[in-house]
Amino acid sequence: QTVVTQEPSLTVSPGGTVTLTCASSTGAVTSGNDPNWFQQKPGQPPRALIFSTNNKHSWTPARFSGFLLGGKAALTLSGVQPEDEADYYCLLSYGGTHVFGGGTKLTVL
Amino acid sequence: EVQLVQSGAEVKKPGESLKISCEASGYTFTNSWIAWVRQMPGKGLEWMGIIYPGDSDIRYSPSFQGQVTISADKSINTAYLQWSSLKASDTATYYCARRVGTNLFDYWGQGTLVSVSS
Repeated sequence: QTVVTQEPSLTVSPGGTVTLTCASSTGAVTSGNDPNWFQQKPGQPPRALIFSTNNKHSWTPARFSGFLLGGKAALTLSGVQPEDEADYYCLLSYGGTHVFGGGTKLTVL
Repeated sequence: EVQLVQSGAEVKKPGESLKISCEASGYTFTNSWIAWVRQMPGKGLEWMGIIYPGDSDIRYSPSFQGQVTISADKSINTAYLQWSSLKASDTATYYCARRVGTNLFDYWGQGTLVSVSS
């Protein structure tokens, strides 16, 4: 069973920069895994942020960016806002099926 | 405007059957995939499976294969997730989400809370 691993929690100061990562138990994450990133706030459904590694949706704030880093998918938030406090999930594709990471709880403090 | 509207919360007993729905609007239902995602209380997202309503191609996560059934009725733009015999461990919020092509997940339903208790 494929396991996708994220940092369980991270803390960042308002205005700061933070990078979340997403690793695969099968080896290096590549563009072929089509990384997607989602944000979820308490009591709300997830909201899509990034697809295909580094592509933003029309509603995705410019401060969010996705890329590959050292064999992992990564999501960087630059100029973090208080409203960015949320859970973040990556989703990787494996030949037609998908696996979510365990999620990262981001605290803005 | 793309919308995915899910059916309301359900309270069931172990052993009962259940079918929840996800009604799509604002796009051509048969041209995109619909995925189902589980979120147990206080836990993360789990990908369950996905269906292409155009030809009913279905892919299940190994963790959910045989545990649930995914289907769709393209005449009413609705996807379904069903159980034949619920367990207490099926208690969770279930989301549907749209996938465009092979790699773009965008719109999500509001979620359906399923509570299973004796």
